[in-house]
Amino acid sequence: GDSVTQMEGPVTLSEEAFLTINCTYTATGYPSLFWYVQYPGEGLQLLLKATKADDKGSNKGFEATYRKETTSFHLEKGSVQVSDSAVYFCALSETSYDKVIFGPGTSLSVIP
Amino acid sequence: GAGVSQSPRYKVAKRGQDVALRCDPISGHVSLFWYQQALGQGPEFLTYFQNEAQLDKSGLPSDRFFAERPEGSVSTLKIQRTQQEDSAVYLCASSLVRGPAEAFFGQGTRLTVV
Repeated sequence: GDSVTQMEGPVTLSEEAFLTINCTYTATGYPSLFWYVQYPGEGLQLLLKATKADDKGSNKGFEATYRKETTSFHLEKGSVQVSDSAVYFCALSETSYDKVIFGPGTSLSVIP
Repeated sequence: GAGVSQSPRYKVAKRGQDVALRCDPISGHVSLFWYQQALGQGPEFLTYFQNEAQLDKSGLPSDRFFAERPEGSVSTLKIQRTQQEDSAVYLCASSLVRGPAEAFFGQGTRLTVV
C-alpha cells in the first residue's frame, strides 16, 4: 500500500541554519504531496503542497519540489528561526477525496 | 466557527468504558475525516464522510469503533469498551469539496484509557 518515509528526528539546528528534511513515498498512482506542521500545543496545519511532477510548493520560506523520478518531496528552508520549532509531517493523498497518508513526523528544534 | 472544533479536548476513561468524541467541522465543508495519532507517530486514517454518507471506514481498527455524521455536519466518533491501546489523540479534519483540496484539522481529543 501507499506509504511515506521521512528522516528520523529529532533535528536540532542553530538559528539561521539551512534545513533539509528528507521525504520519500511509495504510491501506486500519481499522488498529491504535502507537508504539514504541528506547532507545540496546536493542531496540524498544511504548510505546503504540490499536485504534479516538478511542481514546487512554498510557504513561509519553506519549499519542496515534487520529484517523480526519485519519489521524493524534501522540505527545505534557507534560514530557520526559533519559531520554526515544531513537528513536520510529510504526507500524500491519492484518492479522489482527501484521505491523507502521513509519515511518522520529524521533530525540529531551533536554538538561538 | 472559524475552524474545526473538537470536544472534549481531554478524556480519561477507565478500561471498558464507552466514550464519544465530537467534531464540529467548518460550516459548509462537505468532507470530514477522523484520524488516530499515537504518541510520537503520524496520524492514521480512520474514516471518511462525504456529507452524511460514510464512504470509507477501512481504517477503523475494530468493531468497537463507530462513527456517524447523521445530518452532514457534526460528527461523533464512538469507542465502545475502551482498551489501553485506544489511548491516542483523535483528530478530525474537514474540507470544502471533494478532491485534492486543503483539509483543516482540529486540535484533537487526547484520550487516555486507564
